[in-house]
Amino acid sequence: AQRVTQPEKLLSVFKGAPVELKCNYSYSGSPELFWYVQYSRQRLQLLLRHISRESIKGFTADLNKGETSFHLKKPFAQEEDSAMYYCALRVGYGGATNKLIFGTGTLLAVQP
Amino acid sequence: EPEVTQTPSHQVTQMGQEVILRCVPISNHLYFYWYRQILGQKVEFLVSFYNNEISEKSEIFDDQFSVERPDGSNFTLKIRSTKLEDSAMYFCASKIGTVSYEQYFGPGTRLTVT
Repeated sequence: AQRVTQPEKLLSVFKGAPVELKCNYSYSGSPELFWYVQYSRQRLQLLLRHISRESIKGFTADLNKGETSFHLKKPFAQEEDSAMYYCALRVGYGGATNKLIFGTGTLLAVQP
Repeated sequence: EPEVTQTPSHQVTQMGQEVILRCVPISNHLYFYWYRQILGQKVEFLVSFYNNEISEKSEIFDDQFSVERPDGSNFTLKIRSTKLEDSAMYFCASKIGTVSYEQYFGPGTRLTVT
């Protein structure tokens, strides 16, 4: 079964605190995982993908195939990080579909 | 920067009525998608469209749903006879090509069926 699980609906932290948004996946093929972010009143936008192994806005995410996880981390949260974060799994790599399977999302609230 | 646009932003309709949700993908993109998000639930894939035909559809995408690219710029989702459970946010997305990984999302259309 293809599934993405984000166990936390809400994560509230203080500014400057570390952040870890959890994501676990279930997929029989070779996974390709993404984090999408949706700021208030804005559209879904890609934050990062596991293959690029880059840091965007201070966020990083490492794919752990053994634990089937792709947690999103940032060492020091900023108020502007407050948003809805969605973990997504791409299915059908190389084909015409490439649909995304989304988790339920985690609302990150960074308190001043 | 080019963006995917969607109209209307909010559509209210009565049960049993037909609705058409409109999307204008980014102009040089070749792959198009519709997703929906029922309030409080996850974003769910509905359908993908490439080369003027559906490449995949989900179980949700039954005979009441159809998609069309009528004029080379618009990409529409039609629901023939709306049900209360069709109330959701509908997102259109587009992707430039096969190798590309990034889907660009529109702002969404909130459909309310009364």
